[in-house]
Amino acid sequence: KAGVTQTPRYLIKTRGQQVTLSCSPISGHRSVSWYQQTPGQGLQFLFEYFSETQRNKGNFPGRFSGRQFSNSRSEMNVSTLELGDSALYLCASSPGQFYGYTFGSGTRLTVV
Amino acid sequence: QKEVEQNSGPLSVPEGAIASLNCTYSDRGSQSFFWYRQYSGKSPELIMSIYSNGDKEDGRFTAQLNKASQYVSLLIRDSQPSDSATYLCAVNFLSRGSGGSNYKLTFGKGTLLTVNP
Repeated sequence: KAGVTQTPRYLIKTRGQQVTLSCSPISGHRSVSWYQQTPGQGLQFLFEYFSETQRNKGNFPGRFSGRQFSNSRSEMNVSTLELGDSALYLCASSPGQFYGYTFGSGTRLTVV
Repeated sequence: QKEVEQNSGPLSVPEGAIASLNCTYSDRGSQSFFWYRQYSGKSPELIMSIYSNGDKEDGRFTAQLNKASQYVSLLIRDSQPSDSATYLCAVNFLSRGSGGSNYKLTFGKGTLLTVNP
């Protein structure tokens, strides 16, 4: 059974640019969540999607957005990148709200 | 703000000892609780889930939940050097979001465990 797939694995962008990250959940999982992980803040919740609807959103500025497609694949977009956006972005999928999440390998974003 | 608190460590134990990791959470109404293990440079891996008060055992791992005290713990028996990692406690908090009331999995900052040979 394939796991959660995130692309790309590594990304280097310049301040002011925008970036799109992709996530394919485990087959059958309809819930997809995104997290930002930094050494100082730990895992911070960005948003969660279920059946193409955003169910929950964390405390991040509007520059961070996401969407989910009918096949449950999800993308997140960060516009007008700042140096502080450098982080590991993790996608996780789950069969339902009371189950644990399975994480992908993450996308390491570096903003220079 | 609903929070999950963990001692950051590092927690150092000798090989073969019991490692005890603790976590407290702020929302008494929480229903599901998880422990993740994260090796350096890797993504978190789910190792235990617990939903009701008491103990749940899986191999060398035991999760303990006390909802009245809002406390979750993870015991690792016969600790091995390969258990050296950061352990993250996660709690599903009920959150009122754009899609109505839904659960949001919130993580503690993790405890770094080192098992010395």
